[in-house]
Amino acid sequence: GAVVSQHPSWVICKSGTSVKIECRSLDFQATTMFWYRQFPKQSLMLMATSNEGSKATYEQGVEKDKFLINHASLTLSTLTVTSAHPEDSSFYICSAQGLAENNEQFFGPGTRLTVL
Amino acid sequence: GQNIDQPTEMTATEGAIVQINCTYQTSGFNGLFWYQQHAGEAPTFLSYNVLDGLEEKGRFSSFLSRSKGYSYLLLKELQMKDSASYLCAAMDSNYQLIWGAGTKLIIKP
Repeated sequence: GAVVSQHPSWVICKSGTSVKIECRSLDFQATTMFWYRQFPKQSLMLMATSNEGSKATYEQGVEKDKFLINHASLTLSTLTVTSAHPEDSSFYICSAQGLAENNEQFFGPGTRLTVL
Repeated sequence: GQNIDQPTEMTATEGAIVQINCTYQTSGFNGLFWYQQHAGEAPTFLSYNVLDGLEEKGRFSSFLSRSKGYSYLLLKELQMKDSASYLCAAMDSNYQLIWGAGTKLIIKP
């Protein structure tokens, strides 16, 4: 149990376009979902925390108008990178919480975004 | 402030034992997690400690001392596939994970 999927696995887009990344908890209801970004050889950086049905809480320095997060249901959250630029190229990982008593986060496989 | 410290890189030999240390400072504490991350992949859960002591799970063990703000991950009988980054993360009073930068473990034959 506790499987989290992400789609797409990788995406290449032109500068200025928008990209949507989906995160789904396949076999449990995720009360909270997290979006992380990871640059090469660096640790995970939390971008935002979202609870189903409410607005996401963004970490300091993360532009909420650029990284749109929607958590419409207990099994789906989406991250839209609007007007993407090459500096947005990164590994985006979502995690979901809601099943384990220890509040463990279950990670999706990640989405590698390359902006040309 | 909140902070996690762990070594940047460690090297060990196949078949040996290695201990990866982690110290943490958080606002409140709701447990210490260890994750394994292979290059280009998402992290996978290894262990969780909330009480002092050693938790053993096969070749991997994790230890916690809450009074010292200290944890370690012990890997025995190292295999080449254990080459990865090991991430230490402490959960604060808001149930948010505070992540360390990760320890890159290199296993040599």
